Amino acid sequence: ILNVEQSPQSLHVQEGDSTNFTCSFPSSNFYALHWYRWETAKSPEALFVMTLNGDEKKKGRISATLNTKEGYSYLYIKGSQPEDSATYLCAPIQGAQKLVFGQGTRLTINP
Amino acid sequence: NAGVTQTPKFQVLKTGQSMTLQCAQDMNHNSMYWYRQDPGMGLRLIYYSASEGTTDKGEVPNGYNVSRLNKREFSLRLESAAPSQTSVYFCASSETTGYNEQFFGPGTRLTVL
Repeated sequence: ILNVEQSPQSLHVQEGDSTNFTCSFPSSNFYALHWYRWETAKSPEALFVMTLNGDEKKKGRISATLNTKEGYSYLYIKGSQPEDSATYLCAPIQGAQKLVFGQGTRLTINP
Repeated sequence: NAGVTQTPKFQVLKTGQSMTLQCAQDMNHNSMYWYRQDPGMGLRLIYYSASEGTTDKGEVPNGYNVSRLNKREFSLRLESAAPSQTSVYFCASSETTGYNEQFFGPGTRLTVL
């Protein structure tokens, strides 16, 4: 089973500030990495699927980068809004089929 | 277009009882998954079905069985429930495994007394 680490575990940010957090994973046999956003009392929703070293994805104010050689991905949120409050999960893929989820970064935006 | 649906939403069982959690998707996806979510543990894969007619174990399969009834439906069965199986269970589906994003159902909250 892959060892997936997300840091920090929780984060409090003022509205309007930008923030970022990290997902670390074993760099060997990389296949793809998923990012999900999980709001309280809802279900996880996909943000990005990243596949290539140097891959960058963007959706509105949220973007992500990937470094497969060193085994990490960063998620960035620009100009945080209260609706960004959620837990952000990363999940690299093991054996081309199974996602292995990290424990997530819980983000709280303070108005 | 309902996406991924799960039944029931809530369930309370006594130790030793059995039950089946149902999951269905209407997106014509090939792959389906069952996860459990426990505090401090994140989402852990129980079983998955890469395509109709196939099932494989995930990270925590002990105490569970699955059936891919057809392309739409993937059920999870607890034969003899234990308190350690108290959890929130999520079903998900994707077009195929690997590169495709997964779509999650609303979850089933199960308590085993």
